[in-house]
Amino acid sequence: KAGVTQTPRYLIKTRGQQVTLSCSPISGHRSVSWYQQTPGQGLQFLFEYFSETQRNKGNFPGRFSGRQFSNSRSEMNVSTLELGDSALYLCASSLISNSYNEQFFGPGTRLTVL
Amino acid sequence: DQQVKQNSPSLSVQEGRISILNCDYTNSMFDYFLWYKKYPAEGPTFLISISSIKDKNEDGRFTVFLNKSAKHLSLHIVPSQPGDSAVYFCAARFGNEKLTFGTGTRLTIIP
Repeated sequence: KAGVTQTPRYLIKTRGQQVTLSCSPISGHRSVSWYQQTPGQGLQFLFEYFSETQRNKGNFPGRFSGRQFSNSRSEMNVSTLELGDSALYLCASSLISNSYNEQFFGPGTRLTVL
Repeated sequence: DQQVKQNSPSLSVQEGRISILNCDYTNSMFDYFLWYKKYPAEGPTFLISISSIKDKNEDGRFTVFLNKSAKHLSLHIVPSQPGDSAVYFCAARFGNEKLTFGTGTRLTIIP
């Protein structure tokens, strides 16, 4: 069974630009969660989508948004990039919502903002 | 406000010895705790969890201890093996709320 895939793996942008990251969950998984990992803050929850609906949202500004498609694939968008947005962005999928011990992570997208 | 804290950014342990990773939390409403392991260039993988109604959970070489009065969680790895070298994150949640992660501890097993 293929794992969670994230594209692209690496991305370099400049301040003020916007970026879209993609996540394909494990086949059959309907929940996708997004996290931001930075050295000082660990993993911080961004949002969770289940059956195309946002179920949960973390404490991030409105520049961070996401969506989920009918095939459970999810995208995350960050607009007006800031230097502090440089991080590893991880997505995780699970069969059902809030199933955190059954959650499988992708390898992440490393975003660098210059 | 860091509700889940891992105060040791790194830890080195001799192969075969016990590794003890610690985690403190401030929110007494947390009722479920998890440990994840992360290798470089990979996403975290779930390791072990514990409900707040228990004080210990064991899975092979991994044991998690929960001390609710001290709001303290620890992960014991016995015996430590070179493949255990990774970053370990503890996480906590309340009900169906989102997971709150610690900042991670990098464990290095010395052969």
